[in-house]
Amino acid sequence: LAKTTQPISMDSYEGQEVNITCSHNNIATNDYITWYQQFPSQGPRFIIQGYKTKVTNEVASLFIPADRKSSTLSLPRVSLSDTAVYYCLVGGNYGGATNKLIFGTGTLLAVQP
Amino acid sequence: GAVVSQHPSRVICKSGTSVKIECRSLDFQATTMFWYRQFPKQSLMLMATSNEGSKATYEQGVEKDKFLINHASLTLSTLTVTSAHPEDSSFYICSARLGASEQFFGPGTRLTVL
Repeated sequence: LAKTTQPISMDSYEGQEVNITCSHNNIATNDYITWYQQFPSQGPRFIIQGYKTKVTNEVASLFIPADRKSSTLSLPRVSLSDTAVYYCLVGGNYGGATNKLIFGTGTLLAVQP
Repeated sequence: GAVVSQHPSRVICKSGTSVKIECRSLDFQATTMFWYRQFPKQSLMLMATSNEGSKATYEQGVEKDKFLINHASLTLSTLTVTSAHPEDSSFYICSARLGASEQFFGPGTRLTVL
């Protein structure tokens, strides 16, 4: 499974757009990129998944350049409730080869008023 | 989305006792469930993959005799921490796979061993 690198933490203010970038230089041809969100003392929650270009859902957008060696999770107009740890996973469908999810360090996003 | 529950949500036990944690998929059948452990301010670490009706597959470094996993039905997997010690205190999270792909996570169980 490809290793991922993310910033340890990020700070933002309410109403701003937040972009979290993940590096995955060793991504394989059949790997997908998946992002999860985790609040303290809760299980992770699926946010978005993509393979290439851009994917958008009601929560976020995922931008993937042509070489797929990185990806950017974009959260529009964040609120205090978006304060959480965000994990980038690379592998087979939904983040892991044969669905075995290997979590990296994640990015702690702190949103301030 | 699909719902996964865990019971108990929090447990405190004495050193040397065994603790059982249940993971249930409430509205779908899961042939595969996964168990993770998460220490404070750290990421989730996969402990084992649990397949219904067969033996669990443990990740390297995880003692299978200490962390007993049983997946007797398509909606229930249990993790038993045997002879628990303070270093086993952690947040244990399960996930259940829906069909061939998406995983849904439980709310976690906070284990504190005194």
